[in-house]
Amino acid sequence: AQSVSQHNHHVILSEAASLELGCNYSYGGTVNLFWYVQYPGQHLQLLLKYFSGDPLVKGIKGFEAEFIKSKFSFNLRKPSVQWSDTAEYFCAVNGGPSGYSTLTFGKGTMLLVSP
Amino acid sequence: DGGITQSPKYLFRKEGQNVTLSCEQNLNHDAMYWYRQDPGQGLRLIYYSQIVNDFQKGDIAEGYSVSREKKESFPLTVTSAQKNPTAFYLCASSIAQTQETQYFGPGTRLLVL
Repeated sequence: AQSVSQHNHHVILSEAASLELGCNYSYGGTVNLFWYVQYPGQHLQLLLKYFSGDPLVKGIKGFEAEFIKSKFSFNLRKPSVQWSDTAEYFCAVNGGPSGYSTLTFGKGTMLLVSP
Repeated sequence: DGGITQSPKYLFRKEGQNVTLSCEQNLNHDAMYWYRQDPGQGLRLIYYSQIVNDFQKGDIAEGYSVSREKKESFPLTVTSAQKNPTAFYLCASSIAQTQETQYFGPGTRLLVL
């Protein structure tokens, strides 16, 4: 079965620092890739997604992610974080050895940005 | 105002009780999902439904049951057979196929007394 690994459980940054959150998945082939964000007290919401085409995708609030097929990775980046980016971030993958099925989520990375 | 609503926001369960969590969507989505979120565990799929009157087990279906009698509604029952029910439960929906983008409700926090 597909599995998703997020490298860091907790990340602490100062405002204006650059961010990169790692995400790797176990099975290749055709996959759809997602990053979701959960701000404190709010719904889980979509940050960005990759289905096909340009492997560098841009999302809301200045976030972007790069799909590297050879590395089974979909890392999330932001050049300069803000205090309001404090949230939990989840990588999710749909697809695997049996094709599309359901979403598999990583365990999440809690980002704390200090002002 | 389209979206997914879940009720109640907080739910308390006594030992041995069954409780039902509500999920309603007015997005006209065919597919609906239930996830359980535990600290440090991410989201794990309990059940999903791609069409009315049909549903499939997810990764952790034991101790849970669902129904899908209407397109808009996908209630989840946490039965007494679920030995560790304390968690945050999230409902989601997507347009059609399960590979499409999922949209999430605000969640229900279930606590066992």
